[in-house]
Amino acid sequence: GAVVSQHPSWVICKSGTSVKIECRSLDFQATTMFWYRQFPKQSLMLMATSNEGSKATYEQGVEKDKFLINHASLTLSTLTVTSAHPEDSSFYICSAMGAQFFGPGTRLTVL
Amino acid sequence: GQNIDQPTEMTATEGAIVQINCTYQTSGFNGLFWYQQHAGEAPTFLSYNVLDGLEEKGRFSSFLSRSKGYSYLLLKELQMKDSASYLCAVKEPYNTDKLIFGTGTRLQVFP
Repeated sequence: GAVVSQHPSWVICKSGTSVKIECRSLDFQATTMFWYRQFPKQSLMLMATSNEGSKATYEQGVEKDKFLINHASLTLSTLTVTSAHPEDSSFYICSAMGAQFFGPGTRLTVL
Repeated sequence: GQNIDQPTEMTATEGAIVQINCTYQTSGFNGLFWYQQHAGEAPTFLSYNVLDGLEEKGRFSSFLSRSKGYSYLLLKELQMKDSASYLCAVKEPYNTDKLIFGTGTRLQVFP
């Protein structure tokens, strides 16, 4: 079946640094991918829709200059958290191919 | 606005049956998903309802009433491994795969 991978699975960084998270579709092409964020004991919140070859669509309240999304190929979308701060610490999850396939998630901890 | 509500927490006994409700008020509707999520992991797909009625899949069943904006997930013959969070999510219309997640229900199964 379709598989979505994410890398890294976890990352710890210092405040002020930038972190890049990759989301790959392993055996299918994905013109659209979705990025979610999940804080502890909360549900998933959609951050943005990543569109291959065009700009991402951000949800209300999500800063597009802080969360840079690039979908340069049909199998890869990247989310870069720029100038990360402790409040950005969260579980970031991508999905592709409709709603059935989620990546394993990336846990970001900003010190 | 978008509003998808679930009970925050539920408890049940091993071998029993539990019903997790989800009510929604959204600007559009193109189907409802149920996911299971264990702590620290990504959600895994359980079921999808787009028409009214009951969908049965092994120990899990999902019901939808579009006129009432209501769905439930029914778990039978509960096992300890069913302890997890259960998320309902509404798919937006217009041929997108965008999901709006409910608040999530943490289910704890006791021996």
